[in-house]
Amino acid sequence: GNSVTQMEGPVTLSEEAFLTINCTYTATGYPSLFWYVQYPGEGLQLLLKATKADDKGSNKGFEATYRKETTSFHLEKGSVQVSDSAVYFCALGSYTGGFKTIFGAGTRLFVKA
Amino acid sequence: NAGVTQTPKFRVLKTGQSMTLLCAQDMNHEYMYWYRQDPGMGLRLIHYSVGEGTTAKGEVPDGYNVSRLKKQNFLLGLESAAPSQTSVYFCASSPPGDRDGYTFGSGTRLTVV
Repeated sequence: GNSVTQMEGPVTLSEEAFLTINCTYTATGYPSLFWYVQYPGEGLQLLLKATKADDKGSNKGFEATYRKETTSFHLEKGSVQVSDSAVYFCALGSYTGGFKTIFGAGTRLFVKA
Repeated sequence: NAGVTQTPKFRVLKTGQSMTLLCAQDMNHEYMYWYRQDPGMGLRLIHYSVGEGTTAKGEVPDGYNVSRLKKQNFLLGLESAAPSQTSVYFCASSPPGDRDGYTFGSGTRLTVV
């Protein structure tokens, strides 16, 4: 069945460092791919998305490219800020029985000043 | 714009008590979902609805019931609360097709003692 695997955290970086959070997926067909962010005490927010192969989603300095050949959707940011500290979830749009999204386990990011 | 609103935000129940969590969305979304989030377990789908008057079971439906009498509202009921239902509950909504991603509420933190 469809699944999403993302790197375990926590990831700890210094401010202005480069961020990569790896995400790979297994799916039949051509699913949409998403990154969500969850700040402490809040719900998940959609960060970016890509709906077909080679699409690049971007928002707030974050980017991810839908790579069908490597079944990956890695999240990147060139220079992280303390305010980026949060939990990041990779997700796959599943068309099995009602369009249920499959979420990865989440990766916690800590950014130090 | 309110988006997805969950009430209450916090609740403490005694074992065996019942309660209803309310989710309301003002985006005219067809699909609505209830998830629970537990440490180390990620997000798990409890029930979902693909339209007014319809509901379906997700990954962990036991001990919960739902109703979608109006398009904008999705209720989650616990008939006889158990300590294992201590969790943070999130409601989400989306248009059909899952290419737009989900909009989440801010969550309900439930403790069953």
